[in-house]
Amino acid sequence: EPEVTQTPSHQVTQMGQEVILRCVPISNHLYFYWYRQILGQKVEFLVSFYNNEISEKSEIFDDQFSVERPDGSNFTLKIRSTKLEDSAMYFCASSESPRSTDTQYFGPGTRLTVL
Amino acid sequence: KQEVTQIPAALSVPEGENLVLNCSFTDSAIYNLQWFRQDPGKGLTSLLLIQSSQREQTSGRLNASLDKSSGRSTLYIAASQPGDSATYLCAVRLGPSGTYKYIFGTGTRLKVLA
Repeated sequence: EPEVTQTPSHQVTQMGQEVILRCVPISNHLYFYWYRQILGQKVEFLVSFYNNEISEKSEIFDDQFSVERPDGSNFTLKIRSTKLEDSAMYFCASSESPRSTDTQYFGPGTRLTVL
Repeated sequence: KQEVTQIPAALSVPEGENLVLNCSFTDSAIYNLQWFRQDPGKGLTSLLLIQSSQREQTSGRLNASLDKSSGRSTLYIAASQPGDSATYLCAVRLGPSGTYKYIFGTGTRLKVLA
C-alpha cells in the first residue's frame, strides 16, 4: 500500500539553526499538510499546500516557517531559526483532494529536538 | 472555536472485552470525522472516516458512529486484543471548502491486557 515517508526520523539541532524536514507524499495526491505534536499535547495543524501555494495556515505557522515542493515528489518544511519550543514531532500528510470522502494519510513523523 | 475532547484519557481492559471510546466536539458543523491510531513514537494510522452525512462506518472489529446534532462520536472495538493497545485520536474537519485542517482531540490511551 502506498505510504507517506519522512526523513530524517530524528533531528537534533542547536537553537537558532535552520532545519529542513522532508516528506514524500503519496504519488497521486495533490494536497499536502504539516502537523506537529509537542510531547504530551494534541496534534496541531500547521499548514496545507496545493498547486504550489499555501491554502491555509495556522497561527503557529509564522515567518520562521516555510514550505516548498522543490520537485515532483518532495514536500519540505523549513524552520529558519529554531527555538526550544519548536521541539516536537512533525507529521506530514497528503490527500487526493479535500473532498469529505478523502482521508489524509500521515507519515511516521520526524522528531525534532532543539537544544 | 471548535474544541475536541476525548474521554476517557486512559483505559485498561482485559483481552476479549468490548469497549467504547468517546469523542465530543463543540461545533456540530463538521465536514467529516476521522479516527486514528497512534503507536508510541510513531505516526498516525487512519482507522475510519465518517462523512457528516453518515451515521456510522465499520471496518473489521471497529465501528464508529457519529451524532452531529449532539456533537459526539464513538469508536467501538469488539473483542479487544493486546495488539489494539495504542492511543486513539479523533479529529474533525470543518467546512466543505477553504478549511483543510483537522482539529484533533487529546486521545485515549488504551491498554489491552493479555
